[in-house]
Amino acid sequence: QVTLRESGPALVKPTQTLTLTCAFSGFSLSRTGMCVTWVRQSSGKALEWLALLDWDDVKYYNPSLKTRLALSKDTSKSQVVLTMTNVDPSDTATYYCARAQWFRLDTFFDSWGQGALVTVSS
Amino acid sequence: SSELTQDPTVSVALGQTVSITCQGDTLRGYFATWYQQRPGQAPVLVIHATNKRPSGIPDRFSGSSSGDTATLTITGTQAEDEAEYYCNSRDSRGYHLFGGGTKLTVL
Repeated sequence: QVTLRESGPALVKPTQTLTLTCAFSGFSLSRTGMCVTWVRQSSGKALEWLALLDWDDVKYYNPSLKTRLALSKDTSKSQVVLTMTNVDPSDTATYYCARAQWFRLDTFFDSWGQGALVTVSS
Repeated sequence: SSELTQDPTVSVALGQTVSITCQGDTLRGYFATWYQQRPGQAPVLVIHATNKRPSGIPDRFSGSSSGDTATLTITGTQAEDEAEYYCNSRDSRGYHLFGGGTKLTVL
């Protein structure tokens, strides 16, 4: 059974760095085609793709946020960490991590965490 | 920049068939994926590779694609299908993008 769970601060001050952890189980990030991705959703808004880490440790970032995002992984703990620098109230959202499976012309996010609500406010 | 366009709202009578479309250049080269999101819940994958259903997704959900447009079709729509539906794809650089979402109302 695949499970993912996001954790991190519920409240962050503007200009600070947000660090979110995705703890996963039930799959190996080392297996070809396996990835972990991050998606966020502001209240009442559409899903926004943020970043993806693949089985080969290649990282992809949303071009509009690329300078502020960084992905890392702790293989021994089965965790993927997303950091976002210089946060702003517009970064207030629910942040989801999900397992992604990558094929030649198809990538899909087939298991999701429950989401972590992050509020950016002074 | 790449983008995926969806109609904001669609409605359907209970038991009828509804189609939700998604348009974007990336769909000419990469498959569409569809997610269902009910209020307060995480998204759920309903269709990938244009028309493949994960286990547990009812067969009333199907997908198709032509040119730059992908379509999610629900045949015999049920009340529990009322939700927001998002299409997703990736581009040649490996970037993923979501459509703006379609709110499906079941009348």
